[in-house]
Amino acid sequence: KAGVTQTPRYLIKTRGQQVTLSCSPISGHRSVSWYQQTPGQGLQFLFEYFSETQRNKGNFPGRFSGRQFSNSRSEMNVSTLELGDSALYLCASSLVLASTDTQYFGPGTRLTVL
Amino acid sequence: EDKVVQSPLSLVVHEGDTVTLNCSYEVTNFRSLLWYKQEKKAPTFLFMLTSSGIEKKSGRLSSILDKKELFSILNITATQTGDSAIYLCAVEPNAGGTSYGKLTFGQGTILTVHP
Repeated sequence: KAGVTQTPRYLIKTRGQQVTLSCSPISGHRSVSWYQQTPGQGLQFLFEYFSETQRNKGNFPGRFSGRQFSNSRSEMNVSTLELGDSALYLCASSLVLASTDTQYFGPGTRLTVL
Repeated sequence: EDKVVQSPLSLVVHEGDTVTLNCSYEVTNFRSLLWYKQEKKAPTFLFMLTSSGIEKKSGRLSSILDKKELFSILNITATQTGDSAIYLCAVEPNAGGTSYGKLTFGQGTILTVHP
């Protein structure tokens, strides 16, 4: 079974631009969570989607948004990029977050903002 | 606010050594504690612990949870250079309300194993 895939793997943008990252979960997984990883803050939760609905959101500004499609694929968007948005963005999928579910991570998208 | 603290933050050992990584946590409505290994990019799942005192084991790695003391350890015996990685501990609250999908991670322990 294929793992979580994320595209693109690397991205370079300039301040003020916007970016869209994509995540395809493991087949059959319906929950997708997004995380930002930086050297200073570590891994921080952005948001979680299930059945095309955002069920939970972390403490990030409104410039960070996401969505999920009917096939469970998810995208996240960052508008008006800032230098501090440079990070590794990871998505994780799980079946449906029942008692034995585990989140499996994709390889991440490395975003550099110049 | 859920909180996870890992120690040590970094560790340098030689092949064959045994290491113990620590994770303490504070979480509202605890469901599970997870350990991940991160080498290059994606954190890879190691263990999920939900019950106190039950050791999970996989090869040279093992982990145990103490729900009374809010603590977990990850042991690696007979370390190899391939064990060099960042080891991440995370806690997961019970799903529902504002908890869906949210793992709270510790800072990670950087393990370096020299030949």
